[in-house]
Parts: sequence; C-alpha cells; structure tokens
Amino acid sequence: EAGVAQSPRYKIIEKRQSVAFWCNPISGHATLYWYQQILGQGPKLLIQFQNNGVVDDSQLPKDRFSAERLKGVDSTLKIQPAKLEDSAVYLCASSSRTSSQRNEQFFGPGTRLTVL
Amino acid sequence: LAKTTQPISMDSYEGQEVNITCSHNNIATNDYITWYQQFPSQGPRFIIQGYKTKVTNEVASLFIPADRKSSTLSLPRVSLSDTAVYYCLVGDRRILTGGGNKLTFGTGTQLKVEL
Repeated sequence: EAGVAQSPRYKIIEKRQSVAFWCNPISGHATLYWYQQILGQGPKLLIQFQNNGVVDDSQLPKDRFSAERLKGVDSTLKIQPAKLEDSAVYLCASSSRTSSQRNEQFFGPGTRLTVL
Repeated sequence: LAKTTQPISMDSYEGQEVNITCSHNNIATNDYITWYQQFPSQGPRFIIQGYKTKVTNEVASLFIPADRKSSTLSLPRVSLSDTAVYYCLVGDRRILTGGGNKLTFGTGTQLKVEL
C-alpha cells in the first residue's frame, strides 16, 4: 500500500514570496491533515479535511495560509506571503475511519521550507 | 485535551530495555494514550495505543497503572535504529464531528541509542 506522498521535499524562498505544497493521501482515506513542525517542537495541526470539507482550521493563520482539497483526494497548502517564522517542516497526514478509531494517522515525509 | 509531560531526552545502549514515562495527570475518562515515533526527516509513525493495564505489540509494550495518570512505553532490546523522538499523546478516540481525530503533540522525548 502506497503511503502519503508530498512534494516538493525541500523549498527555499525569500520572505514575501509565495509557496505551495502538495499532498496525496493514502487511497481511500477520507480525512486529511496538514501540520506545521518547527525545529525542536512537535507537529501542530493547521487544518483538517473530511473529504473536501474543512473540519478544523482553528490554528491556520488565515491571513497568509490557505488550503484546499477540491476533489476530496489531493490537497494543496499555500503560503502567501511567507514570513521568516514560517520556516518549518510541513507534514501531511491521512486517516481512515478504522485507523481514526485507534488515533492512528499516517504521515508523509514532509516538505522542509526555509524562508530567507 | 490532556497535557502530557515526558523527559526531553534519554540515552541508552544497544541491547538494553528502554522505558519512557509520560505523565498525564488530568486524563479524562474517554481518553486513550497513544505513542508515536519520529525519525529525522520523516513524519511521525504510530507505535502503540492503550487505555489501561498493559498492551503489547511487535515493537513495544505500553504499561498504564490503574489511576491512568501516567504511562510507560517500553522498548525491548533497543538498537541504533531506535534513535528517534517519541511522542506521548492523550486524547479521545471518538471520531470528531466531520471525521477524523485531533492529535496534540508535545515536544517529545529524544532517545539516543549508542553502541
């Protein structure tokens, strides 16, 4: 079974530029999550989708971050404009109803963003 | 969500048993205890989950005392490849309205295994 795919793996941009990350969850997983992980910290949930609807985006900085999952499968996370403090690893995860019943989410390898 | 406290770091040697304890004094009745492992440059990976007493799978054991205010992840005979950050999470296992769960990660325990 293929895992969660993310691209790109690395991205370096200058502050005030825009950037987008892509995620393809495990086939059949209805729930998709985006996390931000700053160096030395645990992942922090940014947004959670159920199919193509948003379940929780309470910690998403909506003035600069946006995310969509138009067809209920792939998802993109965008930052516009980027700030220095956005430097982090952006993790995508997915879960099924079965895996959610044991609090199991499947994570991708992440995209490491460096903002200069 | 219940707050968890775990050691920032631990050191061990290959072949030893490692026990990482997590405190969760305000755990709620519906909360389960879940542990994740994260290697450098990878996303976290589910290890084990339990509610009370002892749970064992092919990679670890989880010990939970009767009062459930703490839990201990036990890794038998660690190897260099067990060097990673281990996260203890406490939360309700019920599916949120709209689907999925909300996981809250702390800072984790950095385990370093040496020869």
